Amino acid sequence: EPEVTQTPSHQVTQMGQEVILRCVPISNHLYFYWYRQILGQKVEFLVSFYNNEISEKSEIFDDQFSVERPDGSNFTLKIRSTKLEDSAMYFCASSEAGRGELFFGSGTQLSVL
Amino acid sequence: GESVGLHLPTLSVQEGDNSIINCAYSNSASDYFIWYKQESGKGPQFIIDIRSNMDKRQGQRVTVLLNKTVKHLSLQIAATQPGDSAVYFCAESRTYKYIFGTGTRLKVLA
Repeated sequence: EPEVTQTPSHQVTQMGQEVILRCVPISNHLYFYWYRQILGQKVEFLVSFYNNEISEKSEIFDDQFSVERPDGSNFTLKIRSTKLEDSAMYFCASSEAGRGELFFGSGTQLSVL
Repeated sequence: GESVGLHLPTLSVQEGDNSIINCAYSNSASDYFIWYKQESGKGPQFIIDIRSNMDKRQGQRVTVLLNKTVKHLSLQIAATQPGDSAVYFCAESRTYKYIFGTGTRLKVLA
């Protein structure tokens, strides 16, 4: 069964450092997303991406965040200068259509020290 | 503002019983609703969805009910099994952004 894959599964970084979280969405999907989940809290929307541009973003997704689809298979989330409060599980998701079932990856646990 | 909330943070049910997980939403403009299941260490997994032009939808052992009058969503799981133990999230949408609730932990007792 096709799945969304994310790497790395765990990322530890120092405050102020840049991190790139990587995702490989399901191959025939056209819509891509990043969500995050702080431990024990709800899943929060960050950004949606379609046709090589951001279609929607939340207030969390400020200038420190960026997304990119550098080739036909990868989808990345970059945090330029990490803060302690960026520590969370980051989930990538993809969907075939804009409104419908989102398929989530297993997440990258980001720890900012 | 928008919010999606859950009535109970934890629900314990006996194996074989039916489970009902409730969710309230506040945005009357939302037109699409989804239930997700999240097991420990994994990403959310789609269970079932419903659009606002429906009030009930059934899947395999699961039923979602939508009451737009009181902005309430529920997930019913028939014959609950140990494998159903997880955190369940409802989510609402009117655009590409899905707004998730805080989650209900379902514990299945043997």
